[in-house]
Amino acid sequence: NAGVMQNPRHLVRRRGQEARLRCSPMKGHSHVYWYRQLPEEGLKFMVYLQKENIIDESGMPKERFSAEFPKEGPSILRIQQVVRGDSAAYFCASSRSTRTVYNEQFFGPGTRLTVL
Amino acid sequence: KNQVEQSPQSLIILEGKNCTLQCNYTVSPFSNLRWYKQDTGRGPVSLTIMTFSENTKSNGRYTATLDADTKQSSLHITASQLSDSASYICVVRGGQTGANNLFFGTGTRLTVIP
Repeated sequence: NAGVMQNPRHLVRRRGQEARLRCSPMKGHSHVYWYRQLPEEGLKFMVYLQKENIIDESGMPKERFSAEFPKEGPSILRIQQVVRGDSAAYFCASSRSTRTVYNEQFFGPGTRLTVL
Repeated sequence: KNQVEQSPQSLIILEGKNCTLQCNYTVSPFSNLRWYKQDTGRGPVSLTIMTFSENTKSNGRYTATLDADTKQSSLHITASQLSDSASYICVVRGGQTGANNLFFGTGTRLTVIP
């Protein structure tokens, strides 16, 4: 059972370009979460999705950022017109459900975005 | 304000020695607390989970404690190994509904040297 997969692992973009980050959850997991980690900082929640639905996007910037989790295929975090401040590690996590105290989120290896 | 603070920020120890990492939180209501290990360039991996009623839990050479009254947790690593070099992150799940109820510490960066 493969873990959470993210690609690309490293992404370099110039200011103004678009960045697309992909996340495939663990098999059997229908809940996906995206986090951002700036250097020397903790992970910050961005968005929570279930298949075809955004459940909570309270941590996502209102502009330029969007996320989706289609019925088929990976979840995608899209950043339009990237700026240098978007440079960070973006982690995806997945879980089987959110209903149990012991529910655990399994993290992917992250995508490191560098904006030149 | 819900916060998780960890100390020390970084730590260097000799291989074979023990160490203790601290986590203080103000998250309320409280659901559970996890310690994660994050190797460089990798995603966090859960080491242990503590609920309100649990005071101590071990996972191999890792022992976590929780004092729900003082809102403090510690992670004790025994007989450290070079492979223990990583960031250790304390994550507290609040009792609020919704997905945005995980609060992350900034981590303690542990370096084990031979």
